[in-house]
Amino acid sequence: SQKIEQNSEALNIQEGKTATLTCNYTNYSPAYLQWYRQDPGRGPVFLLLIRENEKEKRKERLKVTFDTTLKQSLFHITASQPADSATYLCALDYISGSARQLTFGSGTQLTVLP
Amino acid sequence: KAGVTQTPRYLIKTRGQQVTLSCSPISGHRSVSWYQQTPGQGLQFLFEYFSETQRNKGNFPGRFSGRQFSNSRSEMNVSTLELGDSALYLCASSPRQGGNSPLHFGNGTRLTVT
Repeated sequence: SQKIEQNSEALNIQEGKTATLTCNYTNYSPAYLQWYRQDPGRGPVFLLLIRENEKEKRKERLKVTFDTTLKQSLFHITASQPADSATYLCALDYISGSARQLTFGSGTQLTVLP
Repeated sequence: KAGVTQTPRYLIKTRGQQVTLSCSPISGHRSVSWYQQTPGQGLQFLFEYFSETQRNKGNFPGRFSGRQFSNSRSEMNVSTLELGDSALYLCASSPRQGGNSPLHFGNGTRLTVT
């Protein structure tokens, strides 16, 4: 079965630094990988989607890389701010039978310290 | 556009009862997915509906069921509630079926089973 691991449950960094979150997966080669942000008591919010034939995707201060050889995605937040503090989830499409579903990792809780 | 709306926001039920949760997707979105989120298991896929048909189902017992109406609104039902069913239930909509489309989540229904 598909397994997704996110580097650590919690990550603390200083404001202004770059936060790097890791998502590793096994037993499958997804065609797409997505990243979401979740704040306490709220549903996840979509951030970025990257396809298997894309090495890197950027959106403002966010950057995602996708290495299908290493089976890993890295999510970077540059010039981090306290407002970036949240739980970040990676998700990949997974084929179950004839259907695709989005499978989520357990998330990394990021805290940006002022 | 209005976002995904889930009702009710909070529910308290006792073991053995049944519960129905409601989800109104973003206008024009035909796919609705349901997820269960718990601290120990993270986000677990329940099922996906597209055009009133269940297209995919996760690894949950038959006590969990759902349906989708012609206006794309969806309901999920849990019968014979167990303590372990206490969780945040999230609904997400997307324009297309499958894992290659970003999901738009509601803020969930917090179910507590006592």
